[in-house]
Amino acid sequence: EAQVTQNPRYLITVTGKKLTVTCSQNMNHEYMSWYRQDPGLGLRQIYYSMNVEVTDKGDVPEGYKVSRKEKRNFPLILESPSPNQTSLYFCASSSRSNQPQHFGDGTRLSIL
Amino acid sequence: DQQVKQNSPSLSVQEGRISILNCDYTNSMFDYFLWYKKYPAEGPTFLISISSIKDKNEDGRFTVFLNKSAKHLSLHIVPSQPGDSAVYFCAASDGNAGNMLTFGGGTRLMVKP
Repeated sequence: EAQVTQNPRYLITVTGKKLTVTCSQNMNHEYMSWYRQDPGLGLRQIYYSMNVEVTDKGDVPEGYKVSRKEKRNFPLILESPSPNQTSLYFCASSSRSNQPQHFGDGTRLSIL
Repeated sequence: DQQVKQNSPSLSVQEGRISILNCDYTNSMFDYFLWYKKYPAEGPTFLISISSIKDKNEDGRFTVFLNKSAKHLSLHIVPSQPGDSAVYFCAASDGNAGNMLTFGGGTRLMVKP
């Protein structure tokens, strides 16, 4: 089954404690992205990757890091999480530009 | 300022009737538009898309209309079914390198039996 898998689905942690949210896709897609969803704002892109070792900033990259060492994986790293990063996060992938993106089921992060 | 807006946070429709969800955008560089459906505790699921060279695209019960001069698109669902109850997001792309989608804030559709 074609899917994008995120882990964990839920996480409550404290300010400053480094965390990583993993994302994996099994569709051999070139493009992968991370979005955050906040009430009334829809989804906003954090970072994207067009291929292995190629990453770039989206709309709201501050406080986040990513890496793309393998085509299927695109982890999101919060080196020093802060409460304003409490949000619902989605990973997405697509075969190329201007193609529909496939989303994971989301990771709800709460930073206390 | 939000470049994609869905001005109705919620919409309630009777089963069997038409649901019309609206979306407005401000960026004239957008050339590809999509609608996603989202159920609670799941990620958005792609529903239907339209390129700016078209003004209508149809897929079963779902039709998307694009009015470029008004910078407006709409999603029609006919007939509406209770299983269509979800949050619907409008999204747009300008063909950027990162395939970044700019999303509206969403409209919660409730279809009553």
